[in-house]
Amino acid sequence: DTAVSQTPKYLVTQMGNDKSIKCEQNLGHDTMYWYKQDSKKFLKIMFSYNNKELIINETVPNRFSPKSPDKAHLNLHINSLELGDSAVYFCASSPLASGEKLFFGSGTQLSVL
Amino acid sequence: GDSVTQMEGPVTLSEEAFLTINCTYTATGYPSLFWYVQYPGEGLQLLLKATKADDKGSNKGFEATYRKETTSFHLEKGSVQVSDSAVYFCALSDSNYQLIWGAGTKLIIKP
Repeated sequence: DTAVSQTPKYLVTQMGNDKSIKCEQNLGHDTMYWYKQDSKKFLKIMFSYNNKELIINETVPNRFSPKSPDKAHLNLHINSLELGDSAVYFCASSPLASGEKLFFGSGTQLSVL
Repeated sequence: GDSVTQMEGPVTLSEEAFLTINCTYTATGYPSLFWYVQYPGEGLQLLLKATKADDKGSNKGFEATYRKETTSFHLEKGSVQVSDSAVYFCALSDSNYQLIWGAGTKLIIKP
Protein backbone atom coordinates (compact mmCIF):
# COMPACT_ATOMS: atom_id res chain seq x y z
CA ASP A 1 0.00 0.00 0.00
CA THR A 2 1.61 3.21 -1.18
CA ALA A 3 1.19 5.93 1.41
CA VAL A 4 1.53 8.94 -0.91
CA SER A 5 1.00 8.18 -4.56
CA GLN A 6 1.25 10.57 -7.44
CA THR A 7 0.59 10.13 -11.14
CA PRO A 8 1.98 10.19 -13.67
CA LYS A 9 5.57 9.30 -12.83
CA TYR A 10 6.82 10.80 -16.09
CA LEU A 11 5.25 13.57 -18.13
CA VAL A 12 6.71 14.76 -21.41
CA THR A 13 4.89 17.58 -23.16
CA GLN A 14 5.25 20.53 -25.48
CA MET A 15 5.54 24.16 -24.49
CA GLY A 16 2.20 25.86 -24.18
CA ASN A 17 0.25 22.75 -23.20
CA ASP A 18 -1.80 22.34 -20.02
CA LYS A 19 -1.18 19.35 -17.78
CA SER A 20 -2.21 17.97 -14.40
CA ILE A 21 -0.47 15.87 -11.77
CA LYS A 22 -2.56 13.96 -9.27
CA CYS A 23 -1.71 13.09 -5.69
CA GLU A 24 -3.45 10.93 -3.14
CA GLN A 25 -2.48 9.96 0.40
CA ASN A 26 -3.98 7.15 2.45
CA LEU A 27 -2.35 8.09 5.74
CA GLY A 28 -5.25 10.12 7.07
CA HIS A 29 -3.08 13.25 7.20
CA ASP A 30 -4.64 16.70 7.30
CA THR A 31 -1.90 18.55 5.42
CA MET A 32 -0.59 18.10 1.89
CA TYR A 33 2.11 19.87 -0.10
CA TRP A 34 3.56 20.37 -3.52
CA TYR A 35 7.31 20.75 -3.88
CA LYS A 36 9.44 21.45 -6.94
CA GLN A 37 12.93 19.95 -7.21
CA ASP A 38 15.23 21.34 -9.88
CA SER A 39 18.04 19.57 -11.70
CA LYS A 40 20.49 20.47 -8.91
CA LYS A 41 18.20 18.79 -6.37
CA PHE A 42 17.23 22.10 -4.79
CA LEU A 43 13.85 21.68 -3.11
CA LYS A 44 11.29 24.48 -3.08
CA ILE A 45 7.86 24.44 -1.48
CA MET A 46 5.06 25.60 -3.76
CA PHE A 47 1.79 25.06 -1.93
CA SER A 48 0.39 23.61 1.25
CA TYR A 49 -3.19 22.67 2.05
CA ASN A 50 -4.58 21.87 5.47
CA ASN A 51 -7.91 20.06 5.42
CA LYS A 52 -8.65 21.35 1.90
CA GLU A 53 -7.71 24.95 2.72
CA LEU A 54 -4.71 26.70 1.21
CA ILE A 55 -2.23 27.67 3.92
CA ILE A 56 1.02 28.19 2.03
CA ASN A 57 1.21 29.78 -1.37
CA GLU A 58 4.79 30.62 -2.19
CA THR A 59 5.82 32.86 -5.04
CA VAL A 60 4.76 30.62 -7.87
CA PRO A 61 3.47 31.75 -11.28
CA ASN A 62 -0.31 31.77 -11.35
CA ARG A 63 -0.11 29.25 -14.20
CA PHE A 64 0.18 26.75 -11.34
CA SER A 65 -3.10 26.03 -9.61
CA PRO A 66 -3.55 23.45 -6.86
CA LYS A 67 -6.90 21.84 -6.18
CA SER A 68 -7.88 19.81 -3.15
CA PRO A 69 -11.24 18.07 -3.61
CA ASP A 70 -10.88 16.40 -0.22
CA LYS A 71 -8.15 16.13 2.38
CA ALA A 72 -6.76 12.94 0.84
CA HIS A 73 -6.15 14.49 -2.58
CA LEU A 74 -4.14 17.43 -3.82
CA ASN A 75 -3.81 17.89 -7.56
CA LEU A 76 -1.59 20.33 -9.43
CA HIS A 77 -2.69 21.87 -12.69
CA ILE A 78 -0.21 23.76 -14.84
CA ASN A 79 -1.31 26.02 -17.69
CA SER A 80 0.77 27.18 -20.65
CA LEU A 81 3.81 25.09 -19.78
CA GLU A 82 7.22 26.67 -20.22
CA LEU A 83 10.69 25.17 -20.60
CA GLY A 84 11.61 26.35 -17.10
CA ASP A 85 8.83 24.26 -15.61
CA SER A 86 10.87 21.13 -16.32
CA ALA A 87 11.63 19.60 -12.93
CA VAL A 88 10.57 16.85 -10.58
CA TYR A 89 7.40 17.66 -8.66
CA PHE A 90 6.83 15.98 -5.32
CA CYS A 91 3.63 15.66 -3.39
CA ALA A 92 3.92 15.20 0.36
CA SER A 93 1.67 14.93 3.39
CA SER A 94 2.07 15.39 7.13
CA PRO A 95 -0.12 14.64 10.11
CA LEU A 96 -0.10 18.23 11.35
CA ALA A 97 -0.05 21.66 9.78
CA SER A 98 3.36 22.04 11.39
CA GLY A 99 4.82 20.11 8.49
CA GLU A 100 7.68 18.78 10.50
CA LYS A 101 7.38 15.14 9.50
CA LEU A 102 6.72 14.80 5.83
CA PHE A 103 5.85 11.72 3.81
CA PHE A 104 6.76 12.14 0.16
CA GLY A 105 5.46 10.60 -3.00
CA SER A 106 7.96 9.23 -5.50
CA GLY A 107 7.80 12.28 -7.74
CA THR A 108 6.64 13.26 -11.22
CA GLN A 109 9.38 14.08 -13.67
CA LEU A 110 8.05 16.79 -15.97
CA SER A 111 9.92 17.50 -19.19
CA VAL A 112 8.76 20.42 -21.31
CA LEU A 113 10.09 20.35 -24.87
CA GLY B 1 15.34 34.77 7.82
CA ASP B 2 16.04 31.21 8.84
CA SER B 3 18.40 29.22 6.64
CA VAL B 4 20.27 25.94 6.37
CA THR B 5 23.69 25.47 4.78
CA GLN B 6 25.03 22.08 3.81
CA MET B 7 28.37 21.06 2.44
CA GLU B 8 28.43 20.86 -1.31
CA GLY B 9 28.53 17.52 -2.98
CA PRO B 10 29.09 15.16 -4.37
CA VAL B 11 30.82 13.43 -1.51
CA THR B 12 32.53 10.28 -2.76
CA LEU B 13 33.71 7.61 -0.33
CA SER B 14 34.76 4.00 -0.39
CA GLU B 15 32.65 1.36 1.34
CA GLU B 16 33.27 1.15 5.10
CA ALA B 17 34.64 4.69 5.26
CA PHE B 18 33.53 7.17 7.93
CA LEU B 19 30.99 9.73 6.77
CA THR B 20 30.41 13.29 7.85
CA ILE B 21 28.06 15.65 6.05
CA ASN B 22 28.17 19.12 7.54
CA CYS B 23 25.05 21.15 8.22
CA THR B 24 24.84 24.54 9.90
CA TYR B 25 21.79 26.68 10.45
CA THR B 26 20.65 30.20 11.20
CA ALA B 27 17.41 30.55 13.10
CA THR B 28 15.60 32.67 15.63
CA GLY B 29 14.46 30.67 18.60
CA TYR B 30 15.07 26.96 18.99
CA PRO B 31 14.11 25.04 15.91
CA SER B 32 13.82 21.29 15.52
CA LEU B 33 16.40 19.85 13.14
CA PHE B 34 16.03 17.07 10.61
CA TRP B 35 17.89 14.93 8.12
CA TYR B 36 15.97 13.55 5.17
CA VAL B 37 17.34 11.09 2.62
CA GLN B 38 16.39 10.71 -1.04
CA TYR B 39 17.36 7.45 -2.71
CA PRO B 40 17.63 7.46 -6.52
CA GLY B 41 14.24 7.72 -8.19
CA GLU B 42 12.35 8.11 -4.92
CA GLY B 43 10.84 10.80 -2.74
CA LEU B 44 12.47 12.06 0.41
CA GLN B 45 12.05 10.21 3.67
CA LEU B 46 12.79 11.28 7.21
CA LEU B 47 16.08 9.81 8.42
CA LEU B 48 16.38 11.33 11.89
CA LYS B 49 15.47 14.37 13.93
CA ALA B 50 16.41 16.25 17.10
CA THR B 51 14.16 18.70 18.87
CA LYS B 52 16.41 20.42 21.41
CA ALA B 53 20.01 21.27 22.14
CA ASP B 54 22.31 18.29 22.81
CA ASP B 55 19.71 15.81 21.54
CA LYS B 56 21.11 13.09 19.34
CA GLY B 57 18.98 11.70 16.54
CA SER B 58 19.87 8.27 15.19
CA ASN B 59 18.58 5.79 12.65
CA LYS B 60 20.05 3.08 10.38
CA GLY B 61 23.54 3.70 11.80
CA PHE B 62 23.38 7.44 11.10
CA GLU B 63 23.65 9.97 13.91
CA ALA B 64 23.45 13.73 14.29
CA THR B 65 23.74 15.87 17.42
CA TYR B 66 21.98 19.20 17.86
CA ARG B 67 24.77 21.63 18.77
CA LYS B 68 23.38 25.00 19.77
CA GLU B 69 26.76 26.58 20.47
CA THR B 70 27.99 25.92 16.92
CA THR B 71 24.50 25.96 15.31
CA SER B 72 25.29 22.67 13.66
CA PHE B 73 23.65 19.30 13.02
CA HIS B 74 26.29 17.26 11.21
CA LEU B 75 25.33 13.82 9.91
CA GLU B 76 27.72 10.96 10.67
CA LYS B 77 27.98 7.26 10.02
CA GLY B 78 30.81 5.02 11.09
CA SER B 79 30.93 2.66 8.13
CA VAL B 80 29.03 3.47 4.94
CA GLN B 81 27.66 0.96 2.45
CA VAL B 82 26.97 1.23 -1.26
CA SER B 83 23.26 1.25 -0.38
CA ASP B 84 23.77 4.57 1.47
CA SER B 85 24.33 6.32 -1.86
CA ALA B 86 21.64 9.00 -1.97
CA VAL B 87 21.03 12.71 -1.59
CA TYR B 88 20.87 13.91 2.02
CA PHE B 89 18.93 17.01 3.05
CA CYS B 90 19.29 18.92 6.29
CA ALA B 91 16.27 20.95 7.38
CA LEU B 92 14.93 22.98 10.28
CA SER B 93 11.43 23.90 11.34
CA ASP B 94 10.94 27.64 11.49
CA SER B 95 8.85 29.67 13.92
CA ASN B 96 5.75 28.76 11.89
CA TYR B 97 6.77 25.09 12.09
CA GLN B 98 7.41 24.92 8.36
CA LEU B 99 10.51 23.20 7.04
CA ILE B 100 13.43 25.23 5.71
CA TRP B 101 15.62 23.01 3.52
CA GLY B 102 19.30 22.85 2.79
CA ALA B 103 20.43 22.41 -0.81
CA GLY B 104 21.09 18.68 -0.43
CA THR B 105 24.37 16.76 -0.53
CA LYS B 106 24.83 13.89 -2.93
CA LEU B 107 26.68 10.94 -1.44
CA ILE B 108 28.34 8.36 -3.68
CA ILE B 109 29.74 5.19 -2.12
CA LYS B 110 32.09 3.09 -4.25
CA PRO B 111 32.55 -0.64 -3.60
